[in-house]
Amino acid sequence: GENVEQHPSTLSVQEGDSAVIKCTYSDSASNYFPWYKQELGKGPQLIIDIRSNVGEKKDQRIAVTLNKTAKHFSLHITETQPEDSAVYFCARGSTLGRLYFGRGTQLTVWP
Amino acid sequence: DVKVTQSSRYLVKRTGEKVFLECVQDMDHENMFWYRQDPGLGLRLIYFSYDVKMKEKGDIPEGYSVSREKKERFSLILESASTNQTSMYLCASSFLYGGDKETQYFGPGTRLLVL
Repeated sequence: GENVEQHPSTLSVQEGDSAVIKCTYSDSASNYFPWYKQELGKGPQLIIDIRSNVGEKKDQRIAVTLNKTAKHFSLHITETQPEDSAVYFCARGSTLGRLYFGRGTQLTVWP
Repeated sequence: DVKVTQSSRYLVKRTGEKVFLECVQDMDHENMFWYRQDPGLGLRLIYFSYDVKMKEKGDIPEGYSVSREKKERFSLILESASTNQTSMYLCASSFLYGGDKETQYFGPGTRLLVL
């Protein structure tokens, strides 16, 4: 009930194409779903998040969608650029500010 | 800007040594977290603390302990380092209350090698 499943584990796309990463969870009480980006040699950094009262949220080239009934949420990156290459983690919120993370997706954008 | 700093970027220790990893944050955050990151396993929570002198076990606390004597500092202790503790260790902090309470800010990580 605590795990977050994340797919795919690796993703390669051509510059300009779109990238989609999907996560599923089982705890129906979850209502907060952030996405973190980790660049090489750095700690993860929040890029976008969504709460359960919203179905979609956009911030320029990135968007997150949430289907609470099906218990899955996805990160969409459009017009990918080489600087989007990183490891992306989805997570779900829990009590006391704890986050449960997925295992990560290594995104590579080829020029 | 939120800053989370970790005492070392790289550390090499011998099996059986006692190892201290230090983390300091400058945002007056109540929550502090220690994760370990291994390829294919993502971020696994070792311990977290929501207040001074308080600690909660995460998913993989065995072989580790923590100390939070001051609000800004959270230490991870490996009582007797073993080779299977070779990993990247990440510290994070967040508010416990308020609108931004669920955003965790991470340090750059400490890569520990136990020989």
